Amino acid sequence: QKEVEQNSGPLSVPEGAIASLNCTYSDRGSQSFFWYRQYSGKSPELIMFIYSNGDKEDGRFTAQLNKASQYVSLLIRDSQPSDSATYLCAVNLDKLVFGAGTILRVKS
Amino acid sequence: EAQVTQNPRYLITVTGKKLTVTCSQNMNHEYMSWYRQDPGLGLRQIYYSMNVEVTDKGDVPEGYKVSRKEKRNFPLILESPSPNQTSLYFCASSLNRGSYGYTFGSGTRLTVV
Repeated sequence: QKEVEQNSGPLSVPEGAIASLNCTYSDRGSQSFFWYRQYSGKSPELIMFIYSNGDKEDGRFTAQLNKASQYVSLLIRDSQPSDSATYLCAVNLDKLVFGAGTILRVKS
Repeated sequence: EAQVTQNPRYLITVTGKKLTVTCSQNMNHEYMSWYRQDPGLGLRQIYYSMNVEVTDKGDVPEGYKVSRKEKRNFPLILESPSPNQTSLYFCASSLNRGSYGYTFGSGTRLTVV
């Protein structure tokens, strides 16, 4: 089992909808979780991070943690075509371990 | 501006010709790391450094070397590049190994022919 797993997608949503991205992790001791956005050919950009003590909302983005089931979610409300990118989940396992990413396509 | 600077952005080279990809950060970060990214495989760590003169192997270190003589710089060296090292490379830095997330450089697309 991989340490951090994501569905590769693509996940297609219409403009204005909620996009829900998920990530599962294997180590129950993980304390911090990160979501990066990566446009094609560009570097990953940190958009959200949460610690094991709770969820976090920042503008249109919400990161949620389910410790019992060992998964992290990223919700993007009012999705825009500019949100189309690959979203990488990363988990702190004494270093950041990245999932392979989920491709999100927002259709106008 | 706080940033990680990588050079070059694009590089085409021939098999066996030594090359160096430079990485520099201006945030006084102690932790620096190199990744390669390949389709379907995600980001894989090549080498990392906890501080000056302290480096260690990541998940895919074969064929690569690094050095950390100064805190701000962490060059990646390919002494004898091969076609299977054709990839997109990223340098990253952080205050520590993982608690605060990483800041990435803009990437180097390397093609070895």
